[in-house]
Amino acid sequence: SQKIEQNSEALNIQEGKTATLTCNYTNYSPAYLQWYRQDPGRGPVFLLLIRENEKEKRKERLKVTFDTTLKQSLFHITASQPADSATYLCALDPSDSGGYNKLIFGAGTRLAVHP
Amino acid sequence: KAGVTQTPRYLIKTRGQQVTLSCSPISGHRSVSWYQQTPGQGLQFLFEYFSETQRNKGNFPGRFSGRQFSNSRSEMNVSTLELGDSALYLCASSLAGASDYGYTFGSGTRLTVV
Repeated sequence: SQKIEQNSEALNIQEGKTATLTCNYTNYSPAYLQWYRQDPGRGPVFLLLIRENEKEKRKERLKVTFDTTLKQSLFHITASQPADSATYLCALDPSDSGGYNKLIFGAGTRLAVHP
Repeated sequence: KAGVTQTPRYLIKTRGQQVTLSCSPISGHRSVSWYQQTPGQGLQFLFEYFSETQRNKGNFPGRFSGRQFSNSRSEMNVSTLELGDSALYLCASSLAGASDYGYTFGSGTRLTVV
């Protein structure tokens, strides 16, 4: 069956450290994968999109990798801050061409950054 | 520029009633998608509209419907409400689907069915 999985347990890290979140998928061949941040009671906020032909993408303190062989994406936040505390969601379009215009979301990983 | 606006923010309805939720996308965005978010199922795709046409639909019963107007504003309707329909309903807009700018979500409508 098709699945997209993220660590269900919360990730607790110390301020200043690098947070690494994992997204694994099964029986999909996505053309791209997206990462979103969601705060309680708010809608998700888009962070990064990485395409299947891109191994790595960076934006300020954020870095995303995409390994289509392992069927895995890693999301890194370097020099983490308490303000980075939120739930992080990965999402993919189930079409191998990215043309379905719908997203399948993982359950999200809650990140808590402690001072 | 203004973000995605969803109204109302909160709604309480009784089982069996129907409800209409509204979404105004970012100006110039022609694609509007709807998602349901619950603690148990997470974010689930409902449907997507582009230029007033439904392009894709998720696995929800026919009680869930939607439409898009010529100004790209969208509404979704849920008829014969059930307790399990209690959820955060999110609307997302984009220019024409996925891009390096992703989708922009609204803050959602919190629907409680009692």
